[in-house]
Amino acid sequence: GDSVTQMEGPVTLSEEAFLTINCTYTATGYPSLFWYVQYPGEGLQLLLKATKADDKGSNKGFEATYRKETTSFHLEKGSVQVSDSAVYFCALSDNNAGNMLTFGGGTRLMVKP
Amino acid sequence: DAGVTQSPTHLIKTRGQHVTLRCSPISGHKSVSWYQQVLGQGPQFIFQYYEKEERGRGNFPDRFSARQFPNYSSELNVNALLLGDSALYLCASSFFTRSSYNEQFFGPGTRLTVL
Repeated sequence: GDSVTQMEGPVTLSEEAFLTINCTYTATGYPSLFWYVQYPGEGLQLLLKATKADDKGSNKGFEATYRKETTSFHLEKGSVQVSDSAVYFCALSDNNAGNMLTFGGGTRLMVKP
Repeated sequence: DAGVTQSPTHLIKTRGQHVTLRCSPISGHKSVSWYQQVLGQGPQFIFQYYEKEERGRGNFPDRFSARQFPNYSSELNVNALLLGDSALYLCASSFFTRSSYNEQFFGPGTRLTVL
């Protein structure tokens, strides 16, 4: 079945540091890929998405590129802020299975001033 | 416009009891999905409903059931609660097409604690 693997956290960075959170996936067909963010005490918010190979999703300074050859969708940001502290989830949707999302285990990011 | 709403926010039950969680989708959305998020883990898909019919089911026991009403709101029911059912239960709503992805919008969740 489909699965998503992302790097374990916590990831602790100083403000303005460069961020990479690795995500790889296993899926049949051509899934859509997503990054969701969960701030403390809140539900999930869609951060960015990519629906086909080589697409780059971007939002709020975050970027991720859909790499079919390496089955990866790594999240990057050039300069993190304290307000980026949250848990980040990589997810996929098999486009032939309705809207069901398969999530990775999440990576907690802590940004220090 | 209001987002996805869920009730209650928090709930404490004891083992063996039954619980009902409620979700109201964004206006115009006819599909509702339920996810279980155990502390420290990613959400796991439980059910998807569209037009009052079950369209998908995850790997959960029969103690878990759900339904969707004519106004597209939904209930998740869990019988014979176990300690391991303690989790954040997330509801998501969306439009629905089988052949392509439709963005899911998540509610704030219901935190269930089983003692």
